[in-house]
Amino acid sequence: AQSVAQPEDQVNVAEGNPLTVKCTYSVSGNPYLFWYVQYPNRGLQFLLKYITGDNLVKGSYGFEAEFNKSQTSFHLKKPSALVSDSALYFCAVRDPRTSYDKVIFGPGTSLSVIP
Amino acid sequence: KAGVTQTPRYLIKTRGQQVTLSCSPISGHRSVSWYQQTPGQGLQFLFEYFSETQRNKGNFPGRFSGRQFSNSRSEMNVSTLELGDSALYLCASSQGQTAKNIQYFGAGTRLSVL
Repeated sequence: AQSVAQPEDQVNVAEGNPLTVKCTYSVSGNPYLFWYVQYPNRGLQFLLKYITGDNLVKGSYGFEAEFNKSQTSFHLKKPSALVSDSALYFCAVRDPRTSYDKVIFGPGTSLSVIP
Repeated sequence: KAGVTQTPRYLIKTRGQQVTLSCSPISGHRSVSWYQQTPGQGLQFLFEYFSETQRNKGNFPGRFSGRQFSNSRSEMNVSTLELGDSALYLCASSQGQTAKNIQYFGAGTRLSVL
């Protein structure tokens, strides 16, 4: 069965420090991978996606993610965290063999950036 | 371009009642998906509609149903509400042709069942 894990429920980082939010997946084949962010009382906003090609993907708001096939990971990173980055982050996976919009989301990681 | 619009934003219902939630996708998007978000279960896929047809369905009881209209707007219905149905219901739209498509989410409808 397809699944996505985000091993940390909560990540705390000081403003200006680099941040990493971890994601690992268990999906057959070569999945498409996504990161979304959710601010309080809001829907999810797309940050970036990996389809194929370069393992380092750059996205919105200075975020990037590194795809590692051997470790089945897709960690989200940012070189310098902002207080405004504090939010809930979701990793997601889709099966490229279907056009169905069925997305498997991870449980989410709450990021707190401390001033 | 207007984003995904969900109405109403908040709903309070009592057990046993039924409720209908509405979602207007981004113009030109033909796929609409629904998700239930709760603190305990996270984001769970309910179902997806494409061109008025349900293409995929999650693992929810038959009390949860949906439909899509010819203008791609979608509604979700929950009958015989239970306390456990209290959640944030999110709608997402995409062009729907391939798995590369990005889903765009609405702000959600927060349903409270008393």
